Amino acid sequence: GDSVTQMEGPVTLSEEAFLTINCTYTATGYPSLFWYVQYPGEGLQLLLKATKADDKGSNKGFEATYRKETTSFHLEKGSVQVSDSAVYFCALMGGNQFYFGTGTSLTVIP
Amino acid sequence: DVKVTQSSRYLVKRTGEKVFLECVQDMDHENMFWYRQDPGLGLRLIYFSYDVKMKEKGDIPEGYSVSREKKERFSLILESASTNQTSMYLCASRNRFDTQYFGPGTRLTVL
Repeated sequence: GDSVTQMEGPVTLSEEAFLTINCTYTATGYPSLFWYVQYPGEGLQLLLKATKADDKGSNKGFEATYRKETTSFHLEKGSVQVSDSAVYFCALMGGNQFYFGTGTSLTVIP
Repeated sequence: DVKVTQSSRYLVKRTGEKVFLECVQDMDHENMFWYRQDPGLGLRLIYFSYDVKMKEKGDIPEGYSVSREKKERFSLILESASTNQTSMYLCASRNRFDTQYFGPGTRLTVL
């Protein structure tokens, strides 16, 4: 069945460092892919999405490109800030079902 | 903007109590979902609903029930709360084949 695998955390970075959080997926058909962010004590917020191969989603300096050939949707940001400290979830929508990764905790230190 | 609201941010109940968690969405979404989130386990789907008065079991329905009498409202019910139901509960809604939107979560503690 469909599934999402994302890199284990936690990840700790210094402010202004480059961020990559890996996400790979398994799906039949042509899923849509998402990144959600969860700040401490909050629910999940949509960060970005891509609905077809080679699409790039972007928001708040974060980017992810839908790579069908490698079945990946890695999240990147060129220069992280302390305010980016959160848990990041990769997700896939296949058919009418959503599948979430287990989340990657990011801490950015000044 | 889509808005999904949950009735409480924090809730403390005693073992054996009946607990109601309410969720309301204002975007006329067809589908609504209840998840619980626990450290190391990610999000686990408890129940979902594709339409009014319809409900489907998710991955961990035991100990829970749901009610959807109106399109905008989806309630999660713990008939007799137990300590292993202490968790963060997240409600979500969406239309078919569209982005899923989450509420702020309810952190439930069962003593």
